[in-house]
Amino acid sequence: GQNIDQPTEMTATEGAIVQINCTYQTSGFNGLFWYQQHAGEAPTFLSYNVLDGLEEKGRFSSFLSRSKGYSYLLLKELQMKDSASYLCAVRGGDYKLSFGAGTTVTVRA
Amino acid sequence: IAGITQAPTSQILAAGRRMTLRCTQDMRHNAMYWYRQDLGLGLRLIHYSNTAGTTGKGEVPDGYSVSRANTDDFPLTLASAVPSQTSVYFCASSEDSGQPYNEQFFGPGTRLTVL
Repeated sequence: GQNIDQPTEMTATEGAIVQINCTYQTSGFNGLFWYQQHAGEAPTFLSYNVLDGLEEKGRFSSFLSRSKGYSYLLLKELQMKDSASYLCAVRGGDYKLSFGAGTTVTVRA
Repeated sequence: IAGITQAPTSQILAAGRRMTLRCTQDMRHNAMYWYRQDLGLGLRLIHYSNTAGTTGKGEVPDGYSVSRANTDDFPLTLASAVPSQTSVYFCASSEDSGQPYNEQFFGPGTRLTVL
């Protein structure tokens, strides 16, 4: 089975940095995805990591350590529109995605 | 149509009734998926289809069935709805199920309440 853990909630101030951690234990590994989901909307793709290291995409960066079963999503220069849930998902050996429960980030002025 | 559409947007259903949730994509993606999203549990895979004509069971398939008669459509049927099937249902698609990098694109969701 798959086990994916991430914090339930985080709060940060506009302009600050927030790091969302994700730890996983899966049967096989074919990459880790981060999705953003605003309330009442569909998840949208943010990033993909399959090799160890940092992937940077504008204000968002994602890091992966396969040996530690660990990833984080870094959100820099937070904006109010970044208030959303962030979903960590692992593609296992069967190529299916398993999702964590999501981390709700609240950005305060 | 651009992307994935789902119908209905929301539905209230009496227990025991049959219900089909519709999903259509216009991206010519081979793979399609159905998930349910419940508070505190995240997205869970119900059924999937790697290509037209094939389907498979996900993590929580009981009480649901799917068909994939063509590339574009992937309906999800609840044969006899029960209150525990109250959830938000998302349809998704990806270009190919067997490639590690293929991101999944999600439809807008159907909010289903079974009373």
